[in-house]
Amino acid sequence: SQQGEEDPQALSIQEGENATMNCSYKTSINNLQWYRQNSGRGLVHLILIRSNEREKHSGRLRVTLDTSKKSSSLLITASRAADTASYFCATDDSRYSTLTFGKGTMLLVSP
Amino acid sequence: IAGITQAPTSQILAAGRRMTLRCTQDMRHNAMYWYRQDLGLGLRLIHYSNTAGTTGKGEVPDGYSVSRANTDDFPLTLASAVPSQTSVYFCASSDTSGAGRNEQFFGPGTRLTVL
Repeated sequence: SQQGEEDPQALSIQEGENATMNCSYKTSINNLQWYRQNSGRGLVHLILIRSNEREKHSGRLRVTLDTSKKSSSLLITASRAADTASYFCATDDSRYSTLTFGKGTMLLVSP
Repeated sequence: IAGITQAPTSQILAAGRRMTLRCTQDMRHNAMYWYRQDLGLGLRLIHYSNTAGTTGKGEVPDGYSVSRANTDDFPLTLASAVPSQTSVYFCASSDTSGAGRNEQFFGPGTRLTVL
């Protein structure tokens, strides 16, 4: 079963606005990762946050992690039409060497 | 080759036929993975391999087999395809030998239709 669950399932915004996606998970983790998938393509790694970190930035991306609530959020600031994609969180379970992906949030950024 | 390649890009297959999806990486990653992606279900792990010569079952392994004879190649075989195996298949690799980042690199996918 899925470890991570993203919320919302779909998000539609205008260019220039910020987009926030959330991820909840169930068990303890080593790290949590966010990936992006453009339509019909493979997933691309965006950012990784370790279990002992609370916030991380990469360009227009900001990720937070709250291990007490078992949740993470991905913020994309000043969104662009090119940010239109599906975004997935993935948890690195401390017991296994694999990742477990959520079902994703589909983001549509309109010009 | 740069990164991960998958072949074929797409395939239409008759039910009951045998099919092997190919995956090759040139990053010398120790770990490789096969996922299937279905609408509304996200990515689900089929099989994985942490190192050449070893494989493990993921969330949905039934009807699929894999082998890892060397570091670079990780083929996925459907012994007797069924319509429920219609999906988009992604291969991925990662270097898990170090500090446990486990960032995965994905191939472009194979779109398989079983009729």
